Amino acid sequence: GESVGLHLPTLSVQEGDNSIINCAYSNSASDYFIWYKQESGKGPQFIIDIRSNMDKRQGQRVTVLLNKTVKHLSLQIAATQPGDSAVYFCAENPIIQGAQKLVFGQGTRLTINP
Amino acid sequence: EPEVTQTPSHQVTQMGQEVILRCVPISNHLYFYWYRQILGQKVEFLVSFYNNEISEKSEIFDDQFSVERPDGSNFTLKIRSTKLEDSAMYFCAQRQGEGYYGYTFGSGTRLTVV
Repeated sequence: GESVGLHLPTLSVQEGDNSIINCAYSNSASDYFIWYKQESGKGPQFIIDIRSNMDKRQGQRVTVLLNKTVKHLSLQIAATQPGDSAVYFCAENPIIQGAQKLVFGQGTRLTINP
Repeated sequence: EPEVTQTPSHQVTQMGQEVILRCVPISNHLYFYWYRQILGQKVEFLVSFYNNEISEKSEIFDDQFSVERPDGSNFTLKIRSTKLEDSAMYFCAQRQGEGYYGYTFGSGTRLTVV
């Protein structure tokens, strides 16, 4: 069945360090992946996305890596700041008969220590 | 970036009562979704809606749930007879069209059933 999971439920890093959040997915029909950031009491906020015909995409301080061979997705945040503290979700978008929806993973809580 | 507005932000209701959650559509966004997040858990897909029809629904979306968008106005989620386990954050999401357009999430409605 569909499932998207994360390796670690929590991650703590020192302010200024880089962080890497990992995600495993199981649906080989997915060809679009998104990372979301969720702060307390708020909805998921788009960070970065990647299509399956790419293996790397960079944004401002963030990089997403996709390894389709092992069905692994990661989010790298460079030079972390206190405002990066949040729960991060990966989500996959299986393309099946034109219907599209997001399937979310469990989430990783990132804490930035001063 | 356009925002998705949801009302109310918080609703407390008695078990067995009906609730209606509302989502204001973004201009020229064609696809609508409802997601649910029980406290401390991942975001779960409920239903997708396009061209005034349900495109797909999850197992969670049983006969107690319904969606509509009358006359192109607000996109609503109705729960006919609420149960304690319906307590969760409910997020509306919208997507512009086919292809790899991002999903825009609202800030959510916190539903508390007592």
